[in-house]
Amino acid sequence: QQQVKQSPQSLIVQKGGISIINCAYENTAFDYFPWYQQFPGKGPALLIAIRPDVSEKKEGRFTISFNKSAKQFSLHIMDSQPGDSATYFCAATTGYALNFGKGTSLLVTP
Amino acid sequence: GAGVSQSPSNKVTEKGKDVELRCDPISGHTALYWYRQRLGQGLEFLIYFQGNSAPDKSGLPSDRFSAERTGESVSTLTIQRTQQEDSAVYLCASSGDMNTEAFFGQGTRLTVV
Repeated sequence: QQQVKQSPQSLIVQKGGISIINCAYENTAFDYFPWYQQFPGKGPALLIAIRPDVSEKKEGRFTISFNKSAKQFSLHIMDSQPGDSATYFCAATTGYALNFGKGTSLLVTP
Repeated sequence: GAGVSQSPSNKVTEKGKDVELRCDPISGHTALYWYRQRLGQGLEFLIYFQGNSAPDKSGLPSDRFSAERTGESVSTLTIQRTQQEDSAVYLCASSGDMNTEAFFGQGTRLTVV
C-alpha cells in the first residue's frame, strides 16, 4: 500500500514561475518528511526536509509547507529555473525506512 | 570514498541467472537501505539494515530476493533466477542515524533479457 501519495505525476512550469508538488500521508507516527531531487541517471539527493513541529521551512528558493492536521505537505519552488527540471520525491518516515511518493517529473521551460 | 558506492553500475543478465549487486555505504553509517526503481516509477522499499539489529525484509518481493550486510559495511543484494520483471534500477542508501539524511548511490541498472 502506498503510504505517501504524491501529486501531480508531472508538471510543466515556465521559467520564473512557481512549482508546487503535494503529498499526503495517513500514518500519524511519521515524524520526518524529506524531499528528494533526482536527475536522470543519478540517485536521489536530499533537497530539504521538515519535522512536524514547524509549519514551514525555507531554504533558498525551496519551501516546504506542512499541515499536520490535514496530514499534507508540499514543496514550493519559487522562481523555477530550467536547471530545476528533475523528478521530485516526497518521503515520510517514523525513523525507520523511508516511504516514498511515486514522484513528480518537473519540466521548467525557458 | 565520500559517497555511497554501488557496483556494477549496469548489469545485463539472462533470464534465470542469479545476480549479485553490491553496496558500499558511507563509512560509519549504521543504517542501510535497498530500494527498487522501475522505469518511471517511485522508489519501492526492499530491505533495511540498522546496526546489528535484525533486518527489515518486509519489502522483498519474493523469496528469490535476499540481502546480507557484514557488520556496518558492505551489503549485497542477490536475486536468484532472475525474471524480466526484475529489470529496474536498484538503489542503495545509507544514513548515520534514524531521521537523518539518507545518501543514495547512483544505482545499479539491471536488465534481464
